Amino acid sequence: GAVVSQHPSWVICKSGTSVKIECRSLDFQATTMFWYRQFPKQSLMLMATSNEGSKATYEQGVEKDKFLINHASLTLSTLTVTSAHPEDSSFYICSAREAFFGQGTRLTVV
Amino acid sequence: AQTVTQSQPEMSVQEAETVTLSCTYDTSESDYYLFWYKQPPSRQMILVIRQEAYKQQNATENRFSVNFQKAAKSFSLKISDSQLGDAAMYFCAYRSRNDKIIFGKGTRLHILP
Repeated sequence: GAVVSQHPSWVICKSGTSVKIECRSLDFQATTMFWYRQFPKQSLMLMATSNEGSKATYEQGVEKDKFLINHASLTLSTLTVTSAHPEDSSFYICSAREAFFGQGTRLTVV
Repeated sequence: AQTVTQSQPEMSVQEAETVTLSCTYDTSESDYYLFWYKQPPSRQMILVIRQEAYKQQNATENRFSVNFQKAAKSFSLKISDSQLGDAAMYFCAYRSRNDKIIFGKGTRLHILP
């Protein structure tokens, strides 16, 4: 079946540095990828929708300059957390279509 | 704007028994999709069951079935013959026409051996 591979599964970074999270669709073309953020014991909150070949659509309240999303090809979408701060620590999940989710990335900013 | 409400933060059920998780939603659209997702401790999101709003027949997937009441905007999940592996967070979700999925706050299900 279709698989979305998300890497890394966890990352620890220092404040002020940038972190890139990748999501790849392994056996299908994903023209759209959804990026979610999940705080502990809470639901998934949609951050943005990336579309191959065009600019991402961000949800209200999400800083475009902090969370850079790129969808350079039909099989790869990336989320870069720029100048990370401890409050950016969270679990980030990508999704292509309703049934295909990445494994998630636990980001810890120290 | 569409909303999804899960009023049960936690539930427990005895192994082999049946449990029903509640979900209500609000929308002005007539064509949409509803989902139940399972998120085990690994945090991998798993699609459990899917319901198309225009279909009157309730969806069923093995031990999982839904009770879809469109007029009441209710979409409950019934798990029969509960197993220890069913322990997880369960999210009810709504998908609008523009493909954006909106999740409820979730219900944590405990299975008692």
